[in-house]
Amino acid sequence: SYDLTQPLSVSVALGQTARITCGGYNIERKNVHWYQRKPGQAPVLVIYRDANRPSGIPERFSGSNAGNTATLTISRAQAGDEADYYCQMWDGSSAIFGGGTKLTVL
Amino acid sequence: EVPLLESGGGLVQPGGSLRLSCATAGFSFSSSTMTWVRQAPGKGLQWVSTISENGRGTYYADLVKGRFTISRDNSKNTLFLQMNSLRAEDTAVYYCAIWATSSYALDVWGQGTTVTVSS
Repeated sequence: SYDLTQPLSVSVALGQTARITCGGYNIERKNVHWYQRKPGQAPVLVIYRDANRPSGIPERFSGSNAGNTATLTISRAQAGDEADYYCQMWDGSSAIFGGGTKLTVL
Repeated sequence: EVPLLESGGGLVQPGGSLRLSCATAGFSFSSSTMTWVRQAPGKGLQWVSTISENGRGTYYADLVKGRFTISRDNSKNTLFLQMNSLRAEDTAVYYCAIWATSSYALDVWGQGTTVTVSS
């Protein structure tokens, strides 16, 4: 089965840029989506199909996908961006999630 | 108006059954592929099951195949998850979500319902 690998945690200073990676074999051939989950809240889609932002998601959130790594980039990080972030893709008829990355804003 | 509202969670003994519901509103349910995702305590998101718009296509994670059944009632705009032979490892918050054809992603999620399997 296909695996998606994320770092357990990423820290970023307030106002700086955070990058969260999602590794997988030839992941560039897949459509990768990113979700934000804050404690006690439902997950929220922040990036779809590698690099597209849903309406209502700030431009500070961006995505890319090349080679074996997809990346979620959060520019000008804010305290409110602290959350768990998950990458996700479809492998045939199965959805696969990465293990999640806890983003801490210092 | 909340588009997705899960219910039916609770405490159940190992080997028992529960039926989760996801009441929907505000969008074309009968035209939407729907999915259940869960999150166990301290763990990440895990896909459980997906059902096509007309209910003829159903897909399951290996961990629940043969024990869980996804279904829908398009006349009542409601999604279901019948869970049998429950195990302690099925303890989780269960979310229903809309799979959007425009994004190929799960673009709207419910708030979740908690299932606890324990004796």
